[in-house]
Amino acid sequence: AQSVSQHNHHVILSEAASLELGCNYSYGGTVNLFWYVQYPGQHLQLLLKYFSGDPLVKGIKGFEAEFIKSKFSFNLRKPSVQWSDTAEYFCAVKRAGNNRKLIWGLGTSLAVNP
Amino acid sequence: GAGVSQTPSNKVTEKGKYVELRCDPISGHTALYWYRQSLGQGPEFLIYFQGTGAADDSGLPNDRFFAVRPEGSVSTLKIQRTERGDSAVYLCASSLGQGGKETQYFGPGTRLLVL
Repeated sequence: AQSVSQHNHHVILSEAASLELGCNYSYGGTVNLFWYVQYPGQHLQLLLKYFSGDPLVKGIKGFEAEFIKSKFSFNLRKPSVQWSDTAEYFCAVKRAGNNRKLIWGLGTSLAVNP
Repeated sequence: GAGVSQTPSNKVTEKGKYVELRCDPISGHTALYWYRQSLGQGPEFLIYFQGTGAADDSGLPNDRFFAVRPEGSVSTLKIQRTERGDSAVYLCASSLGQGGKETQYFGPGTRLLVL
């Protein structure tokens, strides 16, 4: 069965620090990949997604992620975090094609100290 | 509407009772999804509708859970004989329904507590 692993459950950074959140998945076929964010008191919203093409994907608010097929990874990065990036971050994967079922990681809680 | 809406936002019930959770998708979205998120976990897929029909209900945990979408818009998730383990946030999402390369837009969720 497919699964998604997020290696960091809780991350604490100071403003301006660089961020990298790990995401690995287990599925040998073609996948679509997503990062969602949930700010305190708000609902899940899409940060970025990868379907095909350039493996380096840019999303909203300065986030980017790189798909490395050989490593089954889709790590999220941001060069300089802000206090407003404090949130829960979820990686999700689905099989490519018409499949709609998203498989999610456990999430990473990011706290950015001002 | 502007986004996916879910009612109620919170529901407290007693073990053994029946509950209904409602989802109103974004106008024009033909695909609708239900997920469940337990404390400290990521969302877990329950069921997906394309129009009025359930295209994939493989995530429903047992026959106490049932969902309908009779007119292809609003959906209701129904849980019979609730158990304490059903306590979770139930998330609804919708998408345009035009293929697999879509973003699922999420609602705020219904927080269900079974006492």
